[in-house]
Amino acid sequence: QQQVKQSPQSLIVQKGGISIINCAYENTAFDYFPWYQQFPGKGPALLIAIRPDVSEKKEGRFTISFNKSAKQFSLHIMDSQPGDSATYFCAASITTGNTGKLIFGQGTTLQVKP
Amino acid sequence: AAGVIQSPRHLIKEKRETATLKCYPIPRHDTVYWYQQGPGQDPQFLISFYEKMQSDKGSIPDRFSAQQFSDYHSELNMSSLELGDSALYFCASSLRTSGRDEQFFGPGTRLTVL
Repeated sequence: QQQVKQSPQSLIVQKGGISIINCAYENTAFDYFPWYQQFPGKGPALLIAIRPDVSEKKEGRFTISFNKSAKQFSLHIMDSQPGDSATYFCAASITTGNTGKLIFGQGTTLQVKP
Repeated sequence: AAGVIQSPRHLIKEKRETATLKCYPIPRHDTVYWYQQGPGQDPQFLISFYEKMQSDKGSIPDRFSAQQFSDYHSELNMSSLELGDSALYFCASSLRTSGRDEQFFGPGTRLTVL
């Protein structure tokens, strides 16, 4: 059972366009929501993250929108570039003991066309 | 800035053999996580350590064990390897005592079981 559901599975966007990836969760105990970017054969790289007490966070071209009541959050990539072509994972963290394991969505493969 | 170091980067083993993966967290980080990522899959949490003590455990087979040493590096030991253990194994580190939850991933170890 996937605790964090991500869509779409793949996305094609023209250069300069906006890429939007959505995630939904069920467990209200999640308290931290990061987005990771992963290139083939590489480790996931932290892009941006948000906590449930904030509805939006922007860092450069990346924005997270968070809807606590709907239990949904999304990543917006403005002015998408070919170099943004990668797999994006949303995640949710739940603290157990002294650590907060990440539970990932299924991933979205983004292709930005020149 | 220093990143998470993992070794080896690639490992090829036969079925029923043993493998040891090593992780060196970012200096001064007190928490280490291990994740397994199968081909085309999202990373799955295996185990975590906080201040050298095991903190949480995910779907880690009994054939796997891990520990964190006094210098904070961690090792994942995998015995009686099976074909299905072929995957990318990532280590991530964070500084929990800072109150921040960012997990920074290493480049991964690609394990191939023949």
